[in-house]
Amino acid sequence: GIQVEQSPPDLILQEGANSTLRCNFSDSVNNLQWFHQNPWGQLINLFYIPSGTKQNGRLSATTVATERYSLLYISSSQTTDSGVYFCAVGAQGGSEKLVFGKGTKLTVNP
Amino acid sequence: NAGVTQTPKFQVLKTGQSMTLQCAQDMNHNSMYWYRQDPGMGLRLIYYSASEGTTDKGEVPNGYNVSRLNKREFSLRLESAAPSQTSVYFCASSTQGYYGYTFGSGTRLTVV
Repeated sequence: GIQVEQSPPDLILQEGANSTLRCNFSDSVNNLQWFHQNPWGQLINLFYIPSGTKQNGRLSATTVATERYSLLYISSSQTTDSGVYFCAVGAQGGSEKLVFGKGTKLTVNP
Repeated sequence: NAGVTQTPKFQVLKTGQSMTLQCAQDMNHNSMYWYRQDPGMGLRLIYYSASEGTTDKGEVPNGYNVSRLNKREFSLRLESAAPSQTSVYFCASSTQGYYGYTFGSGTRLTVV
């Protein structure tokens, strides 16, 4: 099945810093989503981005499907950005079913 | 509030006991899913339902059964709980044309 690798596994930042999270996947996809899991365990959908670039406030994401990677950018980080960021992909022919990476744990210190 | 509702939020079972995790969504979504989350493993798909009346296995279906009762509700049943099923269980839903998932708040299950 499709493999999803996220890097780095852990990231520690000072408030105000910028960061880039990476997601590599092993096969063609029709579906790619980024999620944030907050320290209380709630999973929030950040982006549905099988290709192209999207922005939402301080967050933006870019997926280059032909090269099988996606990037999540966080600018001017805040302590509330702390948590785990997951990338999840859906392979062609089964795109509703997502395969998740193991996540990047982000800690933003004040 | 619109969204995905899971019950219960916490549960402790003894090995061999059975239980059903409930999930309901009020967004008129076609597809619903059950995932489990274990430390360091990300989320893994247990079962999913593309529409009312249909279900299909995911990556880790052994030891579980599901029922898509109607368009709103999708339940997960553990017939004989085992310690290996200790996990956090998440239900999610999505709709055709835009596959962005909406997750419930999770059920933390401990099997002793």
